[in-house]
Amino acid sequence: DARVTQTPRDKVTEMGQEVTMRCQPILGHNTVFWYRQTMMQGLELLAYFRNRAPLDDSGMPKDRFSAEMPDATLATLKIQPSEPRDSAVYFCASGLEGRVTDTQYFGPGTRLTVL
Amino acid sequence: AQSVTQPDIHITVSEGASLELRCNYSYGATPYLFWYVQSPGQGLQLLLKYFSGDTLVQGIKGFEAEFKRSQSSFNLRKPSVHWSDAAEYFCAVGAGYNQGGKLIFGQGTELSVKP
Repeated sequence: DARVTQTPRDKVTEMGQEVTMRCQPILGHNTVFWYRQTMMQGLELLAYFRNRAPLDDSGMPKDRFSAEMPDATLATLKIQPSEPRDSAVYFCASGLEGRVTDTQYFGPGTRLTVL
Repeated sequence: AQSVTQPDIHITVSEGASLELRCNYSYGATPYLFWYVQSPGQGLQLLLKYFSGDTLVQGIKGFEAEFKRSQSSFNLRKPSVHWSDAAEYFCAVGAGYNQGGKLIFGQGTELSVKP
């Protein structure tokens, strides 16, 4: 049963530290999405990629967040420096072809707490 | 611009009762519509989707949704709710062609099921 995996599942860090979250999309999927979920803002799209190229990262605070796909099997989301307001659950999702009809398959999320 | 509205933030139903979750969308062309479910502590999972054809679509776990163009709605229904259906439900619309499969999500409706 193919699944999106995310590591770590939980991360507690102190303000100012660098945080790296990793995502392994389903093999063969060519689109990857990064979302952030909080009680106040709900589900927000941060960035997404197709064939490893960024399509849109307008939802991401540029000064501290960065997203990359070093290869087709790994997507990373980095926060440097982290702040308490970054505390949230971060989800990665992958899609097969980047079409409007695609299903997005979500990972289990990384729960980030910044103290 | 596309948007999705879920008017109900929280709904409580009794186990065995019927359920209807409301979703209204704003989209200039033929919409591509989705319902996702998020169980506590997990990522989102697709329940069903509508692209064209029969306006009543069947999904997993006994859910169905009806597309009504005249009302710009895509309401989710289930005839008899089970305790395991307690979760958060998200309606979404595809952002359009050439958008890499991007989805516009509603704010979600949290469903509680009482015995």
